[in-house]
Amino acid sequence: GAVVSQHPSWVICKSGTSVKIECRSLDFQATTMFWYRQFPKQSLMLMATSNEGSKATYEQGVEKDKFLINHASLTLSTLTVTSAHPEDSSFYICSATDTGKGNEKLFFGSGTQLSVL
Amino acid sequence: AQSVAQPEDQVNVAEGNPLTVKCTYSVSGNPYLFWYVQYPNRGLQFLLKYITGDNLVKGSYGFEAEFNKSQTSFHLKKPSALVSDSALYFCAVRDINQNDKLIFGTGTRLQVFP
Repeated sequence: GAVVSQHPSWVICKSGTSVKIECRSLDFQATTMFWYRQFPKQSLMLMATSNEGSKATYEQGVEKDKFLINHASLTLSTLTVTSAHPEDSSFYICSATDTGKGNEKLFFGSGTQLSVL
Repeated sequence: AQSVAQPEDQVNVAEGNPLTVKCTYSVSGNPYLFWYVQYPNRGLQFLLKYITGDNLVKGSYGFEAEFNKSQTSFHLKKPSALVSDSALYFCAVRDINQNDKLIFGTGTRLQVFP
């Protein structure tokens, strides 16, 4: 089945630094990828929709200058948390749709736990 | 706007007993509904979906869900629970009016006791 690879799984960084998270579709092309954020014991909140070759669409309340998304190819989207602060500590999950099969089945990465000290 | 609701934060069930995790939906038009499972510090895994067709949908790991239009529900069920089923379960609806993004419920933690 389709696989989405997300790296790194864990990252600890100092406040003020930037962190990049990668999301790759390994055996399919993904025109659209989604980035979610999950706080402990809460649901996934969609942050942005990443579109290959164009600007990402951000959800209301999400700072686009802080959470930079790049979707330069059909198999890779990156989320960069710029000038990270402790309140950015969270679990980030990406997902992707197999372009050829519609969005009936969304494939998720294994997530990235970000801890900002 | 499309939404789903999971009224239970946690469901406890003894191993071997049937389990039900509830989900109700609110959509305009035909609903596209999903169930996902999340194990600790892991991403989500797809369990099953309802797009059209039979109201009873069978999915992974022995789970099934029943689409009930009159009650606007899509409850997840399993005839005999396993301890390994203990996880966080999310119901989701596809928002066809907003780039097909998935809207998730708040999640229900299933605890299966030996």
